[in-house]
Formats: sequence, C-alpha cells, structure tokens
Amino acid sequence: DVKVTQSSRYLVKRTGEKVFLECVQDMDHENMFWYRQDPGLGLRLIYFSYDVKMKEKGDIPEGYSVSREKKERFSLILESASTNQTSMYLCASRGERTFTDTQYFGPGTRLTVL
Amino acid sequence: SQQGEEDPQALSIQEGENATMNCSYKTSINNLQWYRQNSGRGLVHLILIRSNEREKHSGRLRVTLDTSKKSSSLLITASRAADTASYFCATGGGSNYKLTFGKGTLLTVNP
Repeated sequence: DVKVTQSSRYLVKRTGEKVFLECVQDMDHENMFWYRQDPGLGLRLIYFSYDVKMKEKGDIPEGYSVSREKKERFSLILESASTNQTSMYLCASRGERTFTDTQYFGPGTRLTVL
Repeated sequence: SQQGEEDPQALSIQEGENATMNCSYKTSINNLQWYRQNSGRGLVHLILIRSNEREKHSGRLRVTLDTSKKSSSLLITASRAADTASYFCATGGGSNYKLTFGKGTLLTVNP
C-alpha cells in the first residue's frame, strides 16, 4: 500500500528558528512535492523535485528551501521561520511509471510559528 | 495561479441525498482529478478523468468533464455521514507533472 509519512503532525516554533519538515515515501516515486494549505487560499505549491538532487520552484518558494539527497526523502526547510509561515504543510509524491498525475499525500504537518 | 475553482464553497445535505460539486478551470488540461480531505488530514485521490473522456464512475462517485465549458462536476450518490470532508478538484499534466488545486468545497452530511 502506498505510504507517505511526515515527521511531525504538529510543530510549534519561534520566529527566527530554522525549521526542518521531513517527508518520506516508500513507493520509489521520482516526483515529490511540498504544498502549504491556508484557509481561503487552498493548496499552493512551494517546491517540487523530479529526481534526487533536482528541484524546481513552485508558486510560492520565497522563504523556503528544499533538499532531496535520497529518492525517498524530501525535506522542506524554513531558514528563519516567520509568523506568516504558520500553516498546514502537505507533502506528496507521484511515480513516473504510473502514467497518471495522481499524487499521494502525507497526513500533513500543522506548523505554528510564535 | 489558481486553476480550478470549486462551487459551492460549502454544501450541507442529509444522509441519503446526493451531493453535486462543480469545478471550473481556465486553461486546457490533460486531465482533471478530484481529491478528498478529512478535517486536518492529508488529501486522498478519488478519481481522475482524462481530457478525452466525458464521464467516469467509481462506486458512488460520478464525474463529468466538459472541456468546451472548462468545467467538471463530482456527484456523490446516497451520501453518508462519513462523506463529510472537503473536496478539491485539481488540474494537471504536462512536462513537470504539477497539479493546481482549487480552494475546495466543504461537504457536510448530516445523519
């Protein structure tokens, strides 16, 4: 069965802290994605990766960076957390060989920046 | 940029009734997908319809696609309280496999 896991369900950090959100998938998928979800704004793509060490900016990359050193793991980094980064963060993955665009999502991390 | 827009934003029905949600989009697409999100959880893929298909069924779900009107609808028949969730349409395809999600319809099914 498809599985995408995220390191934390809930996280509370202080302004200025460096924050790491981890995502792991066990489906050998090539593509991985990070979204943030805010009320009234829906899901917005932050970054995605189509291969190890490869990344592309999404629609709202400012204030974020990513790392993909291994195929199964995609990390989202907030270099200096700010209160406007308080949000629900969702990771997803997609396989090249499926020939569909279906994405599989993790359970989400609700991040609060104080 | 927001591609899909769901309508209505919120829908409340009684158990056993049918629920219809609509999605409109702006540019041409390869496919359109519907996802469900239970409160505070991740999204779960429900159904995908390709641009050359007009209708698709999966269990109690029926999806239609009208590419001339750039719109899709999701029908859930004989709704259950467990169907209470937010429903999102997503358009995608293309070289980078990105999906663009709408803002969702919050469906409440009252027992």
